[in-house]
Amino acid sequence: GAVVSQHPSRVICKSGTSVKIECRSLDFQATTMFWYRQFPKQSLMLMATSNEGSKATYEQGVEKDKFLINHASLTLSTLTVTSAHPEDSSFYICSARDPQRGAWETQYFGPGTRLLVL
Amino acid sequence: AQSVTQLGSHVSVSEGALVLLRCNYSSSVPPYLFWYVQYPNQGLQLLLKYTTGATLVKGINGFEAEFKKSETSFHLTKPSAHMSDAAEYFCAVSFTGANSKLTFGKGITLSVRP
Repeated sequence: GAVVSQHPSRVICKSGTSVKIECRSLDFQATTMFWYRQFPKQSLMLMATSNEGSKATYEQGVEKDKFLINHASLTLSTLTVTSAHPEDSSFYICSARDPQRGAWETQYFGPGTRLLVL
Repeated sequence: AQSVTQLGSHVSVSEGALVLLRCNYSSSVPPYLFWYVQYPNQGLQLLLKYTTGATLVKGINGFEAEFKKSETSFHLTKPSAHMSDAAEYFCAVSFTGANSKLTFGKGITLSVRP
């Protein structure tokens, strides 16, 4: 149980294009999802918290217009990297909480999406 | 503000040897503590967590960790390392409250020598 998927697992795009990454909770409803960014050999940095039906809360220094987050349903959150540039290349990981399990503090992570912008 | 310190970036042990990965935290309120493992090009998998109660926490794959409030530590141990334990390990802290966030340490790479 508590499985989170991401799609695509890997994407290569040209500079200036937009890329959408999907995060789905497969066997539970996630009212809250999180988006992280991880650079090689580094830790995870929280980008934003996504709550179903409301606007995402972005961490300081994260460009809202650059990284668009939509959480339109209880099982799907999307991250769109708009006008991607090479410096946006990174590993993007989402996570979700499963409130029904009673362990609200636990986040379940997706497998990640590797973005390479040429 | 909360923070996590994982000293060192790489630990190497022999197969069958004790694994000890250190984690110290800073938190102004009672913390929730986690250890996650990440295999190459994959997401994070929860190994174990401490919220309240027993300070010695057992997790998956034979790992355990002990919460020591006086030392503000939550070190991860495993009595006997397997080759399959080679991965990146992250300690993380959060606190009570539905809107709390996870703060991660920088991670430690564990290598296991045959």
